[in-house]
Amino acid sequence: GIQVEQSPPDLILQEGANSTLRCNFSDSVNNLQWFHQNPWGQLINLFYIPSGTKQNGRLSATTVATERYSLLYISSSQTTDSGVYFCAVVAANQGGKLIFGQGTELSVKP
Amino acid sequence: EAGVVQSPRYKIIEKKQPVAFWCNPISGHNTLYWYLQNLGQGPELLIRYENEEAVDDSQLPKDRFSAERLKGVDSTLKIQPAELGDSAVYLCASSRWRDTEAFFGQGTRLTVV
Repeated sequence: GIQVEQSPPDLILQEGANSTLRCNFSDSVNNLQWFHQNPWGQLINLFYIPSGTKQNGRLSATTVATERYSLLYISSSQTTDSGVYFCAVVAANQGGKLIFGQGTELSVKP
Repeated sequence: EAGVVQSPRYKIIEKKQPVAFWCNPISGHNTLYWYLQNLGQGPELLIRYENEEAVDDSQLPKDRFSAERLKGVDSTLKIQPAELGDSAVYLCASSRWRDTEAFFGQGTRLTVV
């Protein structure tokens, strides 16, 4: 099945810093989503981005489907950005099965 | 629009006891997922429904786990009997169709003692 690898596994930032999280996947995808799991365990939708670039406030994401990776950019980080960021994909040959990476744990210090 | 609703939020049971989790998806969403998340790991799919049909249950431990989605709306996931290793967070998600954006509920944190 498709493999999803996220890097880095852990990231510690000072408030106000910028960061880039990466998601590599091993096969063609029909769907790619970025989620933020807050300290209470809720998975919050950030982007639905099987290809192209999107921006939402301080966050933006780019997926280069032909090269099988996606990037999540966080600018001017805040302590509330802390938590785990997950990338999840649906392989083109496994329609509907949303497969998660292992996540990047982000800690933003004041 | 209401999100995906799960209950209960927390459950503590003794091993060998049964337990059930309930999920109400977003209105109009045909696809429903149950995921299992162990501490420090990404969620893993247990079962996926398209309307009432379980189209992917290959990861569901069928000796002790069962699920149903009556009338293609609400769903229930059951474990009987529970084992210590079942302690985890059980997440429900829904999407309008397969491959479209999925939305997750708040999860049920199960502790088996």
